[in-house]
Amino acid sequence: GAVVSQHPSWVICKSGTSVKIECRSLDFQATTMFWYRQFPKQSLMLMATSNEGSKATYEQGVEKDKFLINHASLTLSTLTVTSAHPEDSSFYICSASLPGSYNEQFFGPGTRLTVL
Amino acid sequence: QQQVKQSPQSLIVQKGGISIINCAYENTAFDYFPWYQQFPGKGPALLIAIRPDVSEKKEGRFTISFNKSAKQFSLHIMDSQPGDSATYFCAASVNNNAGNMLTFGGGTRLMVKP
Repeated sequence: GAVVSQHPSWVICKSGTSVKIECRSLDFQATTMFWYRQFPKQSLMLMATSNEGSKATYEQGVEKDKFLINHASLTLSTLTVTSAHPEDSSFYICSASLPGSYNEQFFGPGTRLTVL
Repeated sequence: QQQVKQSPQSLIVQKGGISIINCAYENTAFDYFPWYQQFPGKGPALLIAIRPDVSEKKEGRFTISFNKSAKQFSLHIMDSQPGDSATYFCAASVNNNAGNMLTFGGGTRLMVKP
């Protein structure tokens, strides 16, 4: 149980285009999902917290107009990188919070974004 | 202070040895301490977690030791195997209605030599 999927697993796009990444909780309903960014050999950096049916809460320094997050249902959250640039190239990982005691977080497999 | 400090940054252990990774935290409100294992190109996977009401938790070859007064916790991997070679992250969070946001340590790259 507690499986989280992401799609696509990797994407290559041209500079200036937008890319959408999907995060799904497959076997549970997640009231809260999180989006992280990870650079090579570094820890995970929280970008935003997404609650179903409400606007996402972005961490300081993360541009909400550039990284659009939508959490339309209890099993799906999307991250859209708008007008992508090479510096947006990174590994993007989502997690979903399992409702209940201590709201354990389970992570998706990640999406490797390369912007040319 | 929300910081979680993790050490060492990298660790090399011989097969069959014990791998020990340490973390220290500042925020006494933290009440959930998970460890994650991450392989290259994959998302982190929950390995084991502990609450502050116990001092130790063991699951198979993995043990968390927790010292509330020192605000430290550690992961011990017994009988380390080459397949354990990965990056390990400790984390801490406060259980609240805001979704239990995790604060991660910097990570430890473990290499287990055959």
